[in-house]
Amino acid sequence: KNQVEQSPQSLIILEGKNCTLQCNYTVSPFSNLRWYKQDTGRGPVSLTIMTFSENTKSNGRYTATLDADTKQSSLHITASQLSDSASYICVVSGEYSSASKIIFGSGTRLSIRP
Amino acid sequence: DAGITQSPRYKITETGRQVTLMCHQTWSHSYMFWYRQDLGHGLRLIYYSAAADITDKGEVPDGYVVSRSKTENFPLTLESATRSQTSVYFCASSEDNYGYTFGSGTRLTVV
Repeated sequence: KNQVEQSPQSLIILEGKNCTLQCNYTVSPFSNLRWYKQDTGRGPVSLTIMTFSENTKSNGRYTATLDADTKQSSLHITASQLSDSASYICVVSGEYSSASKIIFGSGTRLSIRP
Repeated sequence: DAGITQSPRYKITETGRQVTLMCHQTWSHSYMFWYRQDLGHGLRLIYYSAAADITDKGEVPDGYVVSRSKTENFPLTLESATRSQTSVYFCASSEDNYGYTFGSGTRLTVV
């Protein structure tokens, strides 16, 4: 069964610290992997999209990595800010043309403390 | 305003009633989607549409009906609401089924 698992489920860090969120998947064949940020009460917003041939992609203080061989991805947040408090969702697409092959992880809830 | 809008933002309804959630996008994106988000679960696909008059079931379609007579609108109807349909519903659109843009969600409570 195609799955996307994220860890940890929740994380609390102090403002200014770095953190790394993990995503493991079993979706196959693999098309692309996306990280979304979801603020409380809002819809998810795309941070990065990576295809099979890409192993790293940055968006400001967010850097995503992908190891397609081990089916693992990570999202690294540098110099965290209070506005980074949100849920971070890993999404894996198994087939480019099929919406039903897109699997969402349950997310990591990140809280930044001043 | 350009974008994707959902209405209402909050809805309380009684078991057995029919309720319709609205989704409107201004980009003329081909693809539109309905997801539900529950605690402990990732977003789960209810229905999607690749173009006007084309719809297809997702992972959890039972109890829901959709239509897409116009490209910009994709309403989701709960024919006879049940408590298990209490959830947050997100609509999304995409031009190429690659990058999704989500609405702000509708929080539905069935009592």
